[in-house]
Amino acid sequence: EPEVTQTPSHQVTQMGQEVILRCVPISNHLYFYWYRQILGQKVEFLVSFYNNEISEKSEIFDDQFSVERPDGSNFTLKIRSTKLEDSAMYFCAIRPLNGGTDTQYFGPGTRLTVL
Amino acid sequence: QKEVEQNSGPLSVPEGAIASLNCTYSDRGSQSFFWYRQYSGKSPELIMSIYSNGDKEDGRFTAQLNKASQYVSLLIRDSQPSDSATYLCAVNKSGGYNKLIFGAGTRLAVHP
Repeated sequence: EPEVTQTPSHQVTQMGQEVILRCVPISNHLYFYWYRQILGQKVEFLVSFYNNEISEKSEIFDDQFSVERPDGSNFTLKIRSTKLEDSAMYFCAIRPLNGGTDTQYFGPGTRLTVL
Repeated sequence: QKEVEQNSGPLSVPEGAIASLNCTYSDRGSQSFFWYRQYSGKSPELIMSIYSNGDKEDGRFTAQLNKASQYVSLLIRDSQPSDSATYLCAVNKSGGYNKLIFGAGTRLAVHP
């Protein structure tokens, strides 16, 4: 199973501040995804990233959100001006290059708390 | 209609029993189906994937898919207390780049 790490594990920020969440896949992958899970709710798709560009995004992923792969390894999610309702667990997921399947593997997540 | 529906539970079963978890989905074009396990405060952990109608077995787990009925299930044999978790059904939306649509999950409690 592919390994994915995420940093930080927990981020506390003030409303209106910018946060950057990082995802580091251990090996090379082509497809990246961000999901979020508000406490007590279901996991929701945010954005998919393929071949170094956004391939699909949800209604949640508005202008306050952006993703990039700045150095060819890290995959980041930026929230420009956080709101209270952005408090959630954010999961990075990767889809391996090999194997011929579309299985996604999730990182451990970052808990974002907006005060 | 919700895209992926699961009974929220909790489903309580005694240790050693079979736990049966069910999921229905609305998109007939869906091709890929997944079961993830999620412990409280942790990330989803893949248990099974299934793509074709019928059963797929992996150890104590059996996934069942019926595309005509738009129904996916997960059976856990010889349930253990360590199986106590929330089980998430996820469906790969047809078309696009394989975003997963999750159900709200079924909480399973296995008691000794």
